[in-house]
Amino acid sequence: ETGVTQSPTHLIKTRGQQVTLRCSSQSGHNTVSWYQQALGQGPQFIFQYYREEENGRGNFPPRFSGLQFPNYSSELNVNALELDDSALYLCASSPPLGAEAFFGQGTRLTVV
Amino acid sequence: DAKTTQPNSMESNEEEPVHLPCNHSTISGTDYIHWYRQLPSQGPEYVIHGLTSNVNNRMASLAIAEDRKSSTLILHRATLRDAAVYYCIRGSTLGRLYFGRGTQLTVWP
Repeated sequence: ETGVTQSPTHLIKTRGQQVTLRCSSQSGHNTVSWYQQALGQGPQFIFQYYREEENGRGNFPPRFSGLQFPNYSSELNVNALELDDSALYLCASSPPLGAEAFFGQGTRLTVV
Repeated sequence: DAKTTQPNSMESNEEEPVHLPCNHSTISGTDYIHWYRQLPSQGPEYVIHGLTSNVNNRMASLAIAEDRKSSTLILHRATLRDAAVYYCIRGSTLGRLYFGRGTQLTVWP
């Protein structure tokens, strides 16, 4: 069984640019959530997708957006990058009716 | 808002039991208590979760106070691989986890 995979693993972008991060959920999981983890902090919930629809959002501005595809993989898009967007971005998938979230290894985004 | 309180750090010796406390005094009747841990340079890993009763699995035990305002994660025999940040999370909605800063567990050989 393949776990949650994220790409790329590392990324450097310039302030003002746009970035797309990708996540392949674990087989059979129809719910995907995205988190931002700044250095020394716990992960912060960005939003969740269930069956291709946004199903809950944390305290993040609209320039953070996402998609979920029919195969339940997902993208996180961030527009107009700011220096404070530098963080580890984590994707987690969950099975139907399951209580356990499975996290990927994350994408380390650096904005310069 | 994580709404849980944990010590910033704890230490243990290898092969000894570890009791990691968590306070969640404003927990609602439908909130589950989840524990995740995060090893360096990795994503969080599920440990255990529960609602009212004590829970056991192959990784750990979760003891929940009768009033549900606190809980304790128990690692029965700490190993060096258990060194990680442990997060106590209260949540009622599947998959939406609101993390605090967690407890950094150091395990000494």
